[in-house]
Amino acid sequence: NAGVTQTPKFQVLKTGQSMTLQCAQDMNHNSMYWYRQDPGMGLRLIYYSASEGTTDKGEVPNGYNVSRLNKREFSLRLESAAPSQTSVYFCASRTPGGRETQYFGPGTRLLVL
Amino acid sequence: RKEVEQDPGPFNVPEGATVAFNCTYSNSASQSFFWYRQDCRKEPKLLMSVYSSGNEDGRFTAQLNRASQYISLLIRDSKLSDSATYLCVVNVRADKLIFGTGTRLQVFP
Repeated sequence: NAGVTQTPKFQVLKTGQSMTLQCAQDMNHNSMYWYRQDPGMGLRLIYYSASEGTTDKGEVPNGYNVSRLNKREFSLRLESAAPSQTSVYFCASRTPGGRETQYFGPGTRLLVL
Repeated sequence: RKEVEQDPGPFNVPEGATVAFNCTYSNSASQSFFWYRQDCRKEPKLLMSVYSSGNEDGRFTAQLNRASQYISLLIRDSKLSDSATYLCVVNVRADKLIFGTGTRLQVFP
C-alpha cells in the first residue's frame, strides 16, 4: 500500500516551459487535491477534485490546469512556467465521510529559472 | 487577517519540557479542526483531530474553544523526535481545509 505517490521529486524548468506533475493514490479515495507550499505562506489549495470527472478551483489556480484521469490519478499541468511558480507541490487525497483527514504525497520541488 | 493564525516560533525547548502551541481561526462556521505535523522537507501528516471536549493522545493534548475561536496543542515530556513544524488546520466547509503557516519546534538535549 503506497498511499499517495508523486512524480517527479525534483524538477528545474526554464521560464515558458511546460510540465505535468503526476499524482496517484491507491486508497480508493474520491477526493484529491493539489497544494503549493511557500515559505511563510502555508499550504495553499490550487485545485481539487471531489470525484472522478469533476475538478474545481482552489485559492491559487492561475497558471495551472488539472486532469482527473481516473479515480486514482490527478495531474497538475503548468502550461508556461513562471518564476513565481517555484514552490513545493503536494498532492493529497481524503478519506471518505467523517472528518477531513488528508493524506499527502512526498511532494515535488520545482524551480523555475 | 489570515483565516488561521499561528505563532511561527521557533520554540526551542529542552528534552522533558512541556510546550504549548496556540492557533486562532477567523471563520466562526468552521466545522472541524486538526493538528498536522510536518518534518523538514517532508509532507504534512495528521497528528490528531481536535474535538470540542478536548482530547488526548499519549503526550499530546488538544483543546478547542469555539467561543474564542482558539485551538491549542500541548506536548508533555518533549522528545528530540518531536522537533518538527506543527500545522493548525481548520475545515471551513466540505473539501476546504485551511492550513496555518505552522509553528516550528526544536527540542534540544
